[in-house]
Amino acid sequence: DQQVKQNSPSLSVQEGRISILNCDYTNSMFDYFLWYKKYPAEGPTFLISISSIKDKNEDGRFTVFLNKSAKHLSLHIVPSQPGDSAVYFCAASDDNQGGKLIFGQGTELSVKP
Amino acid sequence: DGGITQSPKYLFRKEGQNVTLSCEQNLNHDAMYWYRQDPGQGLRLIYYSQIVNDFQKGDIAEGYSVSREKKESFPLTVTSAQKNPTAFYLCASSETVTNEKLFFGSGTQLSVL
Repeated sequence: DQQVKQNSPSLSVQEGRISILNCDYTNSMFDYFLWYKKYPAEGPTFLISISSIKDKNEDGRFTVFLNKSAKHLSLHIVPSQPGDSAVYFCAASDDNQGGKLIFGQGTELSVKP
Repeated sequence: DGGITQSPKYLFRKEGQNVTLSCEQNLNHDAMYWYRQDPGQGLRLIYYSQIVNDFQKGDIAEGYSVSREKKESFPLTVTSAQKNPTAFYLCASSETVTNEKLFFGSGTQLSVL
């Protein structure tokens, strides 16, 4: 039972353009969402998060949008840079489960010069 | 320089052998976690610990064991009962178990000979 889904395994974008990574979830009790970035053979690093009481959070080139009615969130990267090429995981947590994170399968972003 | 150290980076296991993956943190975090990553899949939680001398099973605990005798250390043993151990193992920590922002180590790739 995949509670957090990233349906696109990969995404290719031209440098300077927008990258949009999508994530869907099924558990309406999730109240906090995070995006992590992972390079090969390294651990994921925290990128940006959003609480369920908000619908947008912005940090520099990265913006996360949350649509609670659709149980959907997205990560926008503008402008995309070659160094953004990595696997991006979305994750969600439910305080009733003690805050443990549930991760999606990941989307591999490739930004071409 | 605070962080999480996992060792070894690569590990090979023979059939019937138990192997132990090391995880040490100097972030003074209470909570520690072990995740497993398989190709094309998200990170799945094996075990987590909220505090010293306490740990809980995650979603895929069968064939694994852990201990938390010190705050800084959370080793994972992959036992011979784990029939499909080949994966990338990630250790993480957070200030508390309800703090969703995880800090990850650089991972251990375990392969079966």
